[in-house]
Amino acid sequence: NAGVTQTPKFQVLKTGQSMTLQCAQDMNHNSMYWYRQDPGMGLRLIYYSASEGTTDKGEVPNGYNVSRLNKREFSLRLESAAPSQTSVYFCASKWSGSNQPQHFGDGTRLSIL
Amino acid sequence: RKEVEQDPGPFNVPEGATVAFNCTYSNSASQSFFWYRQDCRKEPKLLMSVYSSGNEDGRFTAQLNRASQYISLLIRDSKLSDSATYLCVVPYNTDKLIFGTGTRLQVFP
Repeated sequence: NAGVTQTPKFQVLKTGQSMTLQCAQDMNHNSMYWYRQDPGMGLRLIYYSASEGTTDKGEVPNGYNVSRLNKREFSLRLESAAPSQTSVYFCASKWSGSNQPQHFGDGTRLSIL
Repeated sequence: RKEVEQDPGPFNVPEGATVAFNCTYSNSASQSFFWYRQDCRKEPKLLMSVYSSGNEDGRFTAQLNRASQYISLLIRDSKLSDSATYLCVVPYNTDKLIFGTGTRLQVFP
């Protein structure tokens, strides 16, 4: 009963390092999402993928890249990490359709020094 | 008007109280809505879906007012375990959901 699985759970990076956050879902959902959440703020959409083979920018895409590797997996890459990217990152997935809710992974806590 | 607006709170209520949160939205075409619950440092979890005029699940009731473009969440007989942030969510299109910034609820003994 895994749902949405994110790895790693925690990571500390130095400024300028790169890293990829992994997300996989086993619910056969079409759409997948990456959000960031900073203290006292709401969820902000970074990128999303409405279907396998497509990706679109959200409201805060700068400094990030994504890959929809297949229907199950959607990864988020930080090419050159900056302290401003310290945040909690959530991956989510859902069926297509405006009446379908999103299901979230339990997050990756990323600190950039 | 922001796409989704919520009072950030906090709402501090005693156990057993009834508390209600409102959420206003700007997209008049939205047909379905969601309430999520988020505990501190945890992922958001779906609490209720609202597809028509409202929905009830135990102590929780969600209502929709399309004319005034707001949805509400009513919690009866509040428990300590209800302490959390409640997120109002409105679809932007078939693929994107817009999350409110949340209303924080603190239930005290």
